[in-house]
Amino acid sequence: QKEVEQNSGPLSVPEGAIASLNCTYSDRGSQSFFWYRQYSGKSPELIMFIYSNGDKEDGRFTAQLNKASQYVSLLIRDSQPSDSATYLCAVKRDSSYKLIFGSGTRLLVRP
Amino acid sequence: KAGVTQTPRYLIKTRGQQVTLSCSPISGHRSVSWYQQTPGQGLQFLFEYFSETQRNKGNFPGRFSGRQFSNSRSEMNVSTLELGDSALYLCASSPSGPDGYTFGSGTRLTVV
Repeated sequence: QKEVEQNSGPLSVPEGAIASLNCTYSDRGSQSFFWYRQYSGKSPELIMFIYSNGDKEDGRFTAQLNKASQYVSLLIRDSQPSDSATYLCAVKRDSSYKLIFGSGTRLLVRP
Repeated sequence: KAGVTQTPRYLIKTRGQQVTLSCSPISGHRSVSWYQQTPGQGLQFLFEYFSETQRNKGNFPGRFSGRQFSNSRSEMNVSTLELGDSALYLCASSPSGPDGYTFGSGTRLTVV
């Protein structure tokens, strides 16, 4: 079992729709959770981080965390073609200095 | 504000050779991490440095090593290159740790 699991996709949504990206993790000691976006041929860029159970909103992005279910998700509202990219979920234990990444979900937003 | 700078951008090496990759973090950032990215394995952690000290090391063979200098610049070295070492090597920096990394553009290493 991988430590961080994501559906590889592609997840295809029409422009203007809500895209829902999901991530599960196996280590219950994980305390910090991150979403990175990576465009093809580019390096990852941080979109959001979340530490506490519940929702965290930043513009069109909402991160949701449920530690009991070991589940973290990213919602993108009003999806735009420019959101088409691979979204990487990453987790970190409090005592650790490394991020463990999932393999990423490719999102395709159709005009 | 300059970003994370990695050099060189591209490298082609022969099996058995060694290679050194360089990373200059954002000014003021003291934490530098290295990741290997391949299509099959995704992003895998290599090591993290803070103030010249390695705080974490990933599950890579001893052929992979790194260091950080007093100005926070970091280098990683891979000796006795194998075909499987072909990958994009990414460096990331932050003020103090993995919470809020900025990644560099990466060095694409091809081993032939």
